[in-house]
Amino acid sequence: EVQLVESGGGLVQPGGSLRLSCAASGFTVSNNYMSWVRQAPGKGLEWVSVIYSGGSTYYADSVKGRFTISRDNSKNTLYLQMNSLRAEDTAVYYCARSDSAVAAFDYWGQGTLVTVSS
Amino acid sequence: SYLLTQPPSVSVAPGKTARITCGGNNIGSKSVHWYQQKPGQAPVLVIYYDSDRPSGIPERFSGSNSGNTATLTISRVHAGDEAVYYCQVWDSSSDQGVFGGGTKLTVL
Repeated sequence: EVQLVESGGGLVQPGGSLRLSCAASGFTVSNNYMSWVRQAPGKGLEWVSVIYSGGSTYYADSVKGRFTISRDNSKNTLYLQMNSLRAEDTAVYYCARSDSAVAAFDYWGQGTLVTVSS
Repeated sequence: SYLLTQPPSVSVAPGKTARITCGGNNIGSKSVHWYQQKPGQAPVLVIYYDSDRPSGIPERFSGSNSGNTATLTISRVHAGDEAVYYCQVWDSSSDQGVFGGGTKLTVL
């Protein structure tokens, strides 16, 4: 059974850093395209970043230069390192799997809440 | 960057057909995916590659995509279909994913 479990969310001050994790089971992270999608309170879904099976990475303009997506193949885990956090980064962060860049997100985690506030 | 436009809300009576649109420049040339999200839950894929249904999704859910509009159609709507529906594409010109703003489906 495919499962994605996010962790690492919490309260952080503006300008601070946080690292999110997404532990996968039932499939191999490195053989798939893994994305982060976020949702601000009461708002819609916003794509954040993707790491290709080949290792290429891409980011939304709103997080480029501040966030870094990575994976640990030995732990079958996806990460999102978030630096220089802003109030507008407050959201539930989901990890999601797809077969390719153009494919759908067929599996999602339950999400982890990040709150940026002083 | 590529923009997807959805109506904020759609209302339909039980047993009727709901149609939710997703507009984008020449969206017919892209692969469109649709997600259903209920309060407090993660999104669930309901249509992929314009018109394919994942296993477990009722045949009442269907999709189409042509020109500048993709459409999610839900037939014989019932109260359990109340949710926010999002369309999504991959914008290869910017190498970024794109979601529509979401449409809240209300069953009257």
